[in-house]
Amino acid sequence: AQSVAQPEDQVNVAEGNPLTVKCTYSVSGNPYLFWYVQYPNRGLQFLLKYITGDNLVKGSYGFEAEFNKSQTSFHLKKPSALVSDSALYFCAVRADTGRRALTFGSGTRLQVQP
Amino acid sequence: DTGVSQDPRHKITKRGQNVTFRCDPISEHNRLYWYRQTLGQGPEFLTYFQNEAQLEKSRLLSDRFSAERPKGSFSTLEIQRTEQGDSAMYLCASSLSTGNNSPLHFGNGTRLTVT
Repeated sequence: AQSVAQPEDQVNVAEGNPLTVKCTYSVSGNPYLFWYVQYPNRGLQFLLKYITGDNLVKGSYGFEAEFNKSQTSFHLKKPSALVSDSALYFCAVRADTGRRALTFGSGTRLQVQP
Repeated sequence: DTGVSQDPRHKITKRGQNVTFRCDPISEHNRLYWYRQTLGQGPEFLTYFQNEAQLEKSRLLSDRFSAERPKGSFSTLEIQRTEQGDSAMYLCASSLSTGNNSPLHFGNGTRLTVT
């Protein structure tokens, strides 16, 4: 079985400050990890993924995420938040073998205040 | 790249009626996925096609649900004898099959309300 936990329903941050959105996972085998963002009335958009290699992966819109195998975490980060980053963020995981389907977390709403 | 297209955007139906949703993936994508999303939750996997073959089905997909992708292009998801618990956003996504980790491209979804 595979699962994702996003422990924070909402994260509030001031514009210009760094942001972190937390994600921990459970999977049998090596994980493939993804972050998606959902804006109101829009579909989910891919931000970044970790498959193998460097633990720090860079993605769209200045976002990055750090894979930590010992803590089974894949936290999303951005050095300087923008008001336009306000959206719903989802972490997802699948194992490197077996089922292709991604398992998503319940989402974290990011609110960036001007 | 016109993106993944889903039709209709909204559907309101009475309990017990049948509904059908359509998904048109990005044209060169041969993998197609259906997910369901309820308020406050992340997307839940329903089923997955590679070309016209349905390769995975979730236990969430009861016998009232059926999905097809007859020519390996567009797909339909039918729900028979709808129940109020079927009210949700139904999301379609597509991806390339080159490599194992092509990201999913999602459509804007079909919101189903069962009254």
